Amino acid sequence: DVKVTQSSRYLVKRTGEKVFLECVQDMDHENMFWYRQDPGLGLRLIYFSYDVKMKEKGDIPEGYSVSREKKERFSLILESASTNQTSMYLCASLQLNSYEQYFGPGTRLTVT
Amino acid sequence: DQQVKQNSPSLSVQEGRISILNCDYTNSMFDYFLWYKKYPAEGPTFLISISSIKDKNEDGRFTVFLNKSAKHLSLHIVPSQPGDSAVYFCAAMVYSGGGADGLTFGKGTHLIIQP
Repeated sequence: DVKVTQSSRYLVKRTGEKVFLECVQDMDHENMFWYRQDPGLGLRLIYFSYDVKMKEKGDIPEGYSVSREKKERFSLILESASTNQTSMYLCASLQLNSYEQYFGPGTRLTVT
Repeated sequence: DQQVKQNSPSLSVQEGRISILNCDYTNSMFDYFLWYKKYPAEGPTFLISISSIKDKNEDGRFTVFLNKSAKHLSLHIVPSQPGDSAVYFCAAMVYSGGGADGLTFGKGTHLIIQP
Protein backbone atom coordinates (compact mmCIF):
# COMPACT_ATOMS: atom_id res chain seq x y z
CA ASP A 1 0.00 0.00 0.00
CA VAL A 2 1.24 3.43 -0.99
CA LYS A 3 2.53 5.54 1.85
CA VAL A 4 3.78 9.11 2.22
CA THR A 5 4.55 10.23 5.75
CA GLN A 6 5.35 13.65 7.15
CA SER A 7 7.30 14.09 10.35
CA SER A 8 4.78 16.27 12.18
CA ARG A 9 1.04 16.90 11.92
CA TYR A 10 1.20 20.16 13.85
CA LEU A 11 4.13 22.48 14.47
CA VAL A 12 4.43 25.86 16.20
CA LYS A 13 7.58 27.91 15.64
CA ARG A 14 8.73 31.43 16.39
CA THR A 15 9.60 34.06 13.83
CA GLY A 16 13.23 33.72 12.74
CA GLU A 17 13.58 30.05 13.65
CA LYS A 18 14.90 27.52 11.16
CA VAL A 19 12.27 24.91 10.42
CA PHE A 20 12.66 21.46 8.90
CA LEU A 21 9.70 19.57 7.46
CA GLU A 22 10.46 15.97 6.60
CA CYS A 23 8.72 13.75 4.09
CA VAL A 24 9.31 10.06 3.44
CA GLN A 25 7.78 7.83 0.78
CA ASP A 26 8.07 4.07 0.56
CA MET A 27 7.16 3.60 -3.11
CA ASP A 28 10.57 4.12 -4.70
CA HIS A 29 9.21 7.15 -6.58
CA GLU A 30 11.70 9.46 -8.22
CA ASN A 31 9.54 12.58 -8.24
CA MET A 32 8.62 14.33 -5.03
CA PHE A 33 6.92 17.66 -4.35
CA TRP A 34 6.20 20.21 -1.65
CA TYR A 35 3.01 22.27 -1.75
CA ARG A 36 1.37 24.69 0.62
CA GLN A 37 -2.37 25.03 0.97
CA ASP A 38 -3.98 28.28 2.04
CA PRO A 39 -7.69 29.16 2.21
CA GLY A 40 -8.91 30.59 -1.06
CA LEU A 41 -5.61 29.89 -2.81
CA GLY A 42 -5.69 26.12 -3.29
CA LEU A 43 -2.44 24.19 -3.44
CA ARG A 44 0.66 25.96 -4.66
CA LEU A 45 3.91 24.26 -5.63
CA ILE A 46 6.98 25.33 -3.64
CA TYR A 47 9.71 22.99 -4.86
CA PHE A 48 10.00 19.62 -6.53
CA SER A 49 12.68 17.03 -7.13
CA TYR A 50 12.94 14.43 -9.87
CA ASP A 51 15.98 12.61 -8.55
CA VAL A 52 18.38 12.45 -5.65
CA LYS A 53 20.21 15.77 -5.23
CA MET A 54 18.12 17.29 -8.01
CA LYS A 55 15.69 20.12 -7.22
CA GLU A 56 13.62 22.59 -9.13
CA LYS A 57 11.77 25.72 -8.01
CA GLY A 58 8.03 25.67 -8.17
CA ASP A 59 5.70 28.66 -8.24
CA ILE A 60 6.48 30.10 -4.80
CA PRO A 61 10.03 29.10 -3.74
CA GLU A 62 10.93 32.35 -1.95
CA GLY A 63 11.84 31.79 1.69
CA TYR A 64 12.21 28.04 1.25
CA SER A 65 14.90 25.54 0.32
CA VAL A 66 14.87 21.77 -0.04
CA SER A 67 17.11 18.79 0.38
CA ARG A 68 16.99 15.39 -1.33
CA GLU A 69 19.91 13.29 -0.13
CA LYS A 70 18.11 9.96 -0.43
CA LYS A 71 15.44 8.87 -2.88
CA GLU A 72 12.82 8.23 -0.23
CA ARG A 73 13.27 11.50 1.69
CA PHE A 74 12.49 15.07 0.63
CA SER A 75 12.93 17.85 3.18
CA LEU A 76 11.54 21.37 3.11
CA ILE A 77 13.53 24.01 4.99
CA LEU A 78 12.38 27.41 6.14
CA GLU A 79 15.67 29.22 6.74
CA SER A 80 14.10 31.96 8.86
CA ALA A 81 10.42 31.39 9.51
CA SER A 82 8.04 34.30 9.06
CA THR A 83 4.38 34.69 9.99
CA ASN A 84 3.32 34.60 6.33
CA GLN A 85 4.64 31.04 6.17
CA THR A 86 1.89 29.90 8.52
CA SER A 87 0.14 27.31 6.35
CA MET A 88 -0.66 23.67 5.70
CA TYR A 89 2.31 22.00 4.02
CA LEU A 90 1.73 18.94 1.87
CA CYS A 91 4.32 16.57 0.49
CA ALA A 92 3.62 14.31 -2.48
CA SER A 93 5.34 11.73 -4.62
CA LEU A 94 4.50 10.82 -8.18
CA GLN A 95 3.82 7.43 -9.73
CA LEU A 96 5.03 7.98 -13.27
CA ASN A 97 3.06 5.28 -15.04
CA SER A 98 -0.26 6.68 -13.85
CA TYR A 99 0.71 10.32 -13.18
CA GLU A 100 -0.97 10.01 -9.79
CA GLN A 101 0.48 12.07 -6.98
CA TYR A 102 0.21 10.51 -3.54
CA PHE A 103 0.01 13.00 -0.72
CA GLY A 104 1.09 12.85 2.87
CA PRO A 105 -1.33 13.87 5.66
CA GLY A 106 0.08 17.40 5.82
CA THR A 107 1.85 19.50 8.45
CA ARG A 108 0.01 22.48 9.83
CA LEU A 109 2.72 25.02 10.67
CA THR A 110 2.01 28.09 12.76
CA VAL A 111 4.67 30.78 12.99
CA THR A 112 4.17 33.22 15.84
CA ASP B 1 -2.31 34.55 -13.73
CA GLN B 2 -4.30 31.54 -12.64
CA GLN B 3 -3.87 28.69 -15.11
CA VAL B 4 -6.45 26.37 -13.56
CA LYS B 5 -9.71 27.90 -12.42
CA GLN B 6 -12.52 26.52 -10.34
CA ASN B 7 -15.00 29.33 -10.31
CA SER B 8 -17.38 27.88 -7.74
CA PRO B 9 -15.93 28.01 -4.23
CA SER B 10 -18.80 25.90 -2.96
CA LEU B 11 -21.63 23.73 -4.25
CA SER B 12 -24.59 22.27 -2.40
CA VAL B 13 -26.34 19.17 -3.79
CA GLN B 14 -29.06 16.95 -2.43
CA GLU B 15 -28.18 13.36 -1.64
CA GLY B 16 -28.94 11.05 -4.55
CA ARG B 17 -28.72 13.80 -7.16
CA ILE B 18 -25.89 14.50 -9.57
CA SER B 19 -22.99 16.74 -8.52
CA ILE B 20 -21.19 18.58 -11.31
CA LEU B 21 -17.91 20.30 -10.54
CA ASN B 22 -16.35 22.47 -13.20
CA CYS B 23 -12.80 23.45 -14.04
CA ASP B 24 -11.30 25.68 -16.73
CA TYR B 25 -7.69 25.98 -17.78
CA THR B 26 -5.74 28.44 -19.87
CA ASN B 27 -2.47 26.64 -20.63
CA SER B 28 -2.87 24.69 -23.87
CA MET B 29 0.28 22.71 -23.01
CA PHE B 30 -1.54 20.83 -20.25
CA ASP B 31 -2.03 17.26 -21.39
CA TYR B 32 -3.15 15.44 -18.28
CA PHE B 33 -5.84 16.34 -15.79
CA LEU B 34 -6.64 14.98 -12.36
CA TRP B 35 -9.25 15.44 -9.67
CA TYR B 36 -8.39 15.19 -6.01
CA LYS B 37 -10.65 15.04 -3.01
CA LYS B 38 -9.65 16.49 0.34
CA TYR B 39 -11.16 16.12 3.79
CA PRO B 40 -10.21 18.57 6.56
CA ALA B 41 -6.85 17.83 8.23
CA GLU B 42 -5.96 15.18 5.63
CA GLY B 43 -3.85 15.20 2.49
CA PRO B 44 -5.62 15.19 -0.89
CA THR B 45 -6.45 11.78 -2.33
CA PHE B 46 -6.52 11.00 -6.00
CA LEU B 47 -9.97 10.49 -7.46
CA ILE B 48 -9.86 10.22 -11.23
CA SER B 49 -7.79 11.44 -14.16
CA ILE B 50 -8.02 11.96 -17.89
CA SER B 51 -5.48 12.27 -20.66
CA SER B 52 -5.89 14.93 -23.33
CA ILE B 53 -6.32 12.24 -25.96
CA LYS B 54 -9.65 11.25 -24.38
CA ASP B 55 -12.85 13.15 -23.79
CA LYS B 56 -14.33 10.96 -21.07
CA ASN B 57 -13.18 8.68 -18.29
CA GLU B 58 -15.43 6.80 -15.94
CA ASP B 59 -14.81 5.09 -12.62
CA GLY B 60 -17.86 3.92 -10.73
CA ARG B 61 -19.90 6.92 -9.65
CA PHE B 62 -17.29 9.35 -10.96
CA THR B 63 -16.97 10.53 -14.55
CA VAL B 64 -14.65 13.20 -15.87
CA PHE B 65 -15.36 14.95 -19.16
CA LEU B 66 -12.77 16.93 -21.10
CA ASN B 67 -13.55 19.51 -23.77
CA LYS B 68 -10.18 20.49 -25.18
CA SER B 69 -11.45 23.13 -27.55
CA ALA B 70 -13.16 24.92 -24.67
CA LYS B 71 -10.31 24.16 -22.24
CA HIS B 72 -12.89 22.87 -19.83
CA LEU B 73 -13.32 19.77 -17.76
CA SER B 74 -15.98 18.63 -15.38
CA LEU B 75 -16.39 15.97 -12.73
CA HIS B 76 -19.76 14.27 -12.40
CA ILE B 77 -20.69 12.34 -9.29
CA VAL B 78 -23.86 10.30 -9.50
CA PRO B 79 -25.57 9.52 -7.25
CA SER B 80 -24.12 11.91 -4.68
CA GLN B 81 -23.61 10.48 -1.20
CA PRO B 82 -22.99 12.16 2.18
CA GLY B 83 -19.39 10.87 2.20
CA ASP B 84 -18.74 12.88 -0.96
CA SER B 85 -18.83 16.08 1.06
CA ALA B 86 -15.28 17.40 0.75
CA VAL B 87 -13.17 19.94 -1.11
CA TYR B 88 -12.46 18.89 -4.70
CA PHE B 89 -9.36 20.13 -6.48
CA CYS B 90 -8.90 20.12 -10.21
CA ALA B 91 -5.26 19.75 -11.28
CA ALA B 92 -3.40 19.83 -14.57
CA MET B 93 0.07 18.94 -15.70
CA VAL B 94 2.45 18.92 -18.63
CA TYR B 95 4.29 15.67 -18.80
CA SER B 96 7.87 16.13 -19.97
CA GLY B 97 10.10 13.17 -20.64
CA GLY B 98 12.45 13.74 -17.74
CA GLY B 99 9.76 13.62 -15.14
CA ALA B 100 6.64 15.45 -14.24
CA ASP B 101 7.21 18.96 -12.95
CA GLY B 102 4.35 19.16 -10.57
CA LEU B 103 0.67 19.78 -10.76
CA THR B 104 -1.06 23.10 -11.14
CA PHE B 105 -4.10 23.15 -8.91
CA GLY B 106 -7.30 25.11 -8.93
CA LYS B 107 -8.46 26.77 -5.72
CA GLY B 108 -10.93 24.01 -4.98
CA THR B 109 -14.69 23.62 -4.73
CA HIS B 110 -16.28 22.70 -1.42
CA LEU B 111 -19.02 20.16 -2.18
CA ILE B 112 -21.74 19.80 0.43
CA ILE B 113 -24.15 16.90 0.10
CA GLN B 114 -27.41 17.59 1.90
CA PRO B 115 -29.51 14.72 3.24
